[in-house]
Amino acid sequence: AQSVTQLGSHVSVSEGALVLLRCNYSSSVPPYLFWYVQYPNQGLQLLLKYTSAATLVKGINGFEAEFKKSETSFHLTKPSAHMRDAAEYFCAVSGNGQNFVFGPGTRLSVLP
Amino acid sequence: EADIYQTPRYLVIGTGKKITLECSQTMGHDKMYWYQQDPGMELHLIHYSYGVNSTEKGDLSSESTVSRIRTEHFPLTLESARPSHTSQYLCASSESVYNEQFFGPGTRLTVL
Repeated sequence: AQSVTQLGSHVSVSEGALVLLRCNYSSSVPPYLFWYVQYPNQGLQLLLKYTSAATLVKGINGFEAEFKKSETSFHLTKPSAHMRDAAEYFCAVSGNGQNFVFGPGTRLSVLP
Repeated sequence: EADIYQTPRYLVIGTGKKITLECSQTMGHDKMYWYQQDPGMELHLIHYSYGVNSTEKGDLSSESTVSRIRTEHFPLTLESARPSHTSQYLCASSESVYNEQFFGPGTRLTVL
């Protein structure tokens, strides 16, 4: 069975600082991996996805993530945080014909 | 821009009422999903459908029911709402179980 863990339920960074949100997965087959963002009172919006092509994936809003098979990780980064990046971020994995499995989410706070 | 719609966006009702949360998508996706999410918490899959006349229960037991009579429409019904049903309900669709899911804006339900 697939699973996703996100280290840190709440991450705080200063505006302009590096954002690093961690995601580790467990999958018996090559996974498809996704990062979503959720702003208050809204649905989830896809940031980026990994589907077995390039291991470094660039997404919207300046975010990117790197697939590392040896570490079973898919961490999300952004070089410089903006206030508007404050939101909930979810990592998800799919594969092996199963439905998506979402991680528990990480709340990102951006301090002025 | 994903074309998936949910109505109503907000609903406050009394205990014992029957309610239907609407979800429609115009992308022609076969796969549709309902998630339940408490504020700031993880998503729980409560129902999914792989096509017309196909519905399955998700990982989280729910007293709600769903139907899939048309590809584009996947309504969720609560026969008798209770305060424990207070939550946000998110609808999503995808082309396949491997592809990204597109989310609607959600319905925030409050049962008094």
